[in-house]
Amino acid sequence: AQSVTQLDSHVSVSEGTPVLLRCNYSSSYSPSLFWYVQHPNKGLQLLLKYTSAATLVKGINGFEAEFKKSETSFHLTKPSAHMSDAAEYFCVVRGSSASKIIFGSGTRLSIRP
Amino acid sequence: DVKVTQSSRYLVKRTGEKVFLECVQDMDHENMFWYRQDPGLGLRLIYFSYDVKMKEKGDIPEGYSVSREKKERFSLILESASTNQTSMYLCASSSTLRQGWNTEAFFGQGTRLTVV
Repeated sequence: AQSVTQLDSHVSVSEGTPVLLRCNYSSSYSPSLFWYVQHPNKGLQLLLKYTSAATLVKGINGFEAEFKKSETSFHLTKPSAHMSDAAEYFCVVRGSSASKIIFGSGTRLSIRP
Repeated sequence: DVKVTQSSRYLVKRTGEKVFLECVQDMDHENMFWYRQDPGLGLRLIYFSYDVKMKEKGDIPEGYSVSREKKERFSLILESASTNQTSMYLCASSSTLRQGWNTEAFFGQGTRLTVV
């Protein structure tokens, strides 16, 4: 069985400051992990994915995430927030073979000018 | 580019009606999924299908059924619509083990269903 927990429902940062969105996962298998972003009234867009290659994964728009097996975490970071980063972010886990793709409950990121 | 197309963007139905939501993908993916998205709850899996005529229940299958008669099409059926099924419904597809199991899901634009 697999599950994913996003530890913050809402994060607010000032423009130009670092972003940290936290995600913990549980999986019986070596998982694949993803971060998706959803801007208001828009579809879901893949930011990045971990698929058992490098543990530090770089995505689009300057985001990156680090897979830490010992902590069962896959936190999303960005060094400097931009107003256009305001959106909802979802951490996603997938187990083996033809398995379910499970979403976290989402973190709403707000950017203060 | 992968395309996942949902038949309607907006739908208004009456309580008790049978509702069909259609989804078509053009990438020959074996896996297809139906989620509903509600504020504060993220995306919750209703059903998924890993092959034609094969399906598995997700986390919230009650009140829903699905049909997958062809590989490219996955239908969600609300047997008797109720107001608590008012939501955004998202369809997705992805490849599976033989094709590369660790690939992401590709999503349609969603159907906003209102049951009155």
